[in-house]
Amino acid sequence: AQRVTQPEKLLSVFKGAPVELKCNYSYSGSPELFWYVQYSRQRLQLLLRHISRESIKGFTADLNKGETSFHLKKPFAQEEDSAMYYCALRSGSARQLTFGSGTQLTVLP
Amino acid sequence: SAVISQKPSRDICQRGTSLTIQCQVDSQVTMMFWYRQQPGQSLTLIATANQGSEATYESGFVIDKFPISRPNLTFSTLTVSNMSPEDSSIYLCSVRRDISYEQYFGPGTRLTVT
Repeated sequence: AQRVTQPEKLLSVFKGAPVELKCNYSYSGSPELFWYVQYSRQRLQLLLRHISRESIKGFTADLNKGETSFHLKKPFAQEEDSAMYYCALRSGSARQLTFGSGTQLTVLP
Repeated sequence: SAVISQKPSRDICQRGTSLTIQCQVDSQVTMMFWYRQQPGQSLTLIATANQGSEATYESGFVIDKFPISRPNLTFSTLTVSNMSPEDSSIYLCSVRRDISYEQYFGPGTRLTVT
């Protein structure tokens, strides 16, 4: 069965500091991985997906199949990055999403 | 993108009653899902709503407790039946145009059962 693990429930960094949100997965097939973000009082939205290999709002994430990881990184955190971040794996016949438990990121001034 | 609305946005219900949550999408989508997000927890998939046929439920969720309808490609309902305080949660509708496309989420329905 598929599983997504986000070991940090809370993460605080200072503005301008680098930030890394960890995500590990277990899945026997070929994974499709995503990062979703939920800002305060807003709905959940897609931040980025591994197949796009793009940078969104300065965030990047690289799929490491050897370590079964998909960590989210940003070199210089901004206060507006404060939000709840969920790592998700897409699998199954309906390609449904399985979410990690989420990491609440707080960027301090 | 897809614009998703949910009704009601929140409700407080008494134990033993039922609540039906509506999900409306502004365009036709192939796939619709219902998720639950309990307080302080992540999102858990309840079921995939299938148009014209019975929903596909995930382990731990049954049709008697969470009946789902999907009469067309833009609308679905989730009923939370015979509610107990443990059902207090945010219920989210989610859609995807096709199997490989981006998945969008509704604003959620915050349910409190007293």
